[in-house]
Amino acid sequence: NAGVMQNPRHLVRRRGQEARLRCSPVKGHSHVYWYRQLPEEGLKFMVYLQKENIIDESGMPKERFSAEFPKEGPSILRIQQVVRGDSAAYFCASSHRGQANTGELFFGEGSRLTVL
Amino acid sequence: DQQVKQNSPSLSVQEGRISILNCDYTNSMFDYFLWYKKYPAEGPTFLISISSIKDKNEDGRFTVFLNKSAKHLSLHIVPSQPGDSAVYFCAASEYSGAGSYQLTFGKGTKLSVIP
Repeated sequence: NAGVMQNPRHLVRRRGQEARLRCSPVKGHSHVYWYRQLPEEGLKFMVYLQKENIIDESGMPKERFSAEFPKEGPSILRIQQVVRGDSAAYFCASSHRGQANTGELFFGEGSRLTVL
Repeated sequence: DQQVKQNSPSLSVQEGRISILNCDYTNSMFDYFLWYKKYPAEGPTFLISISSIKDKNEDGRFTVFLNKSAKHLSLHIVPSQPGDSAVYFCAASEYSGAGSYQLTFGKGTKLSVIP
């Protein structure tokens, strides 16, 4: 399967713990995007990264959330000191070039975070 | 403030008939519009798109219509098939000013095609 791979698919954390979500883009894609879907909502942009660079993090909460896309290995979305409101599906997407306005992205199956 | 609205949470259509999914937007700066399809426990997959300078784009059974003056777009599926049953998200693209284009999604419409 050469698509976007996300893991874990499901993650349960208690309040105050840390959550780490991983994303391996489509082979050959160097642009990664993270979106969050809260229950009964549409997907909302969080961050756009290229290898070793954060290009646009305007959708990321100012605290507790961080993202990276190292030269080697998957992209990581990290949520520190999770709260119940962080419970959501987190989708990673990738593209071959920087997303032009056409907006076509390849999405992974998502990681569903549940905070108890 | 919802910039992309899908006012129908669900839609049921008989197999073979036309499915029409609607989407309204408020932001005049959107320059591209897309439809994504999502099955349960899967990620969204791109279906079809349209530039803001066009009013129609067709791909097989799928046609997207854009009415810029009304800030409205619709997705037509003809003929509808049971395999089309999924959640359909309308999305719009806008330059963020921070180095990228961002997609803004609606809440989705769940389409059920009845055999």
